[in-house]
Amino acid sequence: GENVEQHPSTLSVQEGDSAVIKCTYSDSASNYFPWYKQELGKGPQLIIDIRSNVGEKKDQRIAVTLNKTAKHFSLHITETQPEDSAVYFCAASRGAAGNKLTFGGGTRVLVKP
Amino acid sequence: NAGVTQTPKFQVLKTGQSMTLQCAQDMNHNSMYWYRQDPGMGLRLIYYSASEGTTDKGEVPNGYNVSRLNKREFSLRLESAAPSQTSVYFCASSAVGGPSDEQYFGPGTRLTVT
Repeated sequence: GENVEQHPSTLSVQEGDSAVIKCTYSDSASNYFPWYKQELGKGPQLIIDIRSNVGEKKDQRIAVTLNKTAKHFSLHITETQPEDSAVYFCAASRGAAGNKLTFGGGTRVLVKP
Repeated sequence: NAGVTQTPKFQVLKTGQSMTLQCAQDMNHNSMYWYRQDPGMGLRLIYYSASEGTTDKGEVPNGYNVSRLNKREFSLRLESAAPSQTSVYFCASSAVGGPSDEQYFGPGTRLTVT
């Protein structure tokens, strides 16, 4: 089955700096790569996703890049703000019906004011 | 539009007791999922239901059973709880065939087995 590894497990950045989280996956058939943000006491919420036919996607201060050959993808957050403090999860799946996601272990991001 | 709701929010069980976690969604989604979240291990899929009337095992199904009661509701049952099942349980749902594969998560149930 799929295996997703995520690094680092914790990340502390100064407000205004950039944050980068990296994930690798094992299943070459995976074609859907979402990123979720989880705030304390809440369920995860999708913040951005990318499909295998796209190399990069951007949404305001958040961007995701995908390297299918190397089987890794990354989340980039620019101009970090205190409200970006949360746990972030990457995931991978083959998409389609019964979209089974395999999650990475999570990264706890702390943005220091 | 409440999204995905889960009951109860918290539960404490003794080893060997049984309980059912309830999940409902009001987004007319076809697919529903149960995950457990343990520290440092992300979320792991227990069972999923690709569509009404079907259920399949995920990564960690042992000790659990599920029922897709109708399109809206998907329950998770622990027949004989064990301390290893202490975890936070999340239900999620997603549409099929639309422009997005986004899974929408409920607020979670924090379960402690003593």
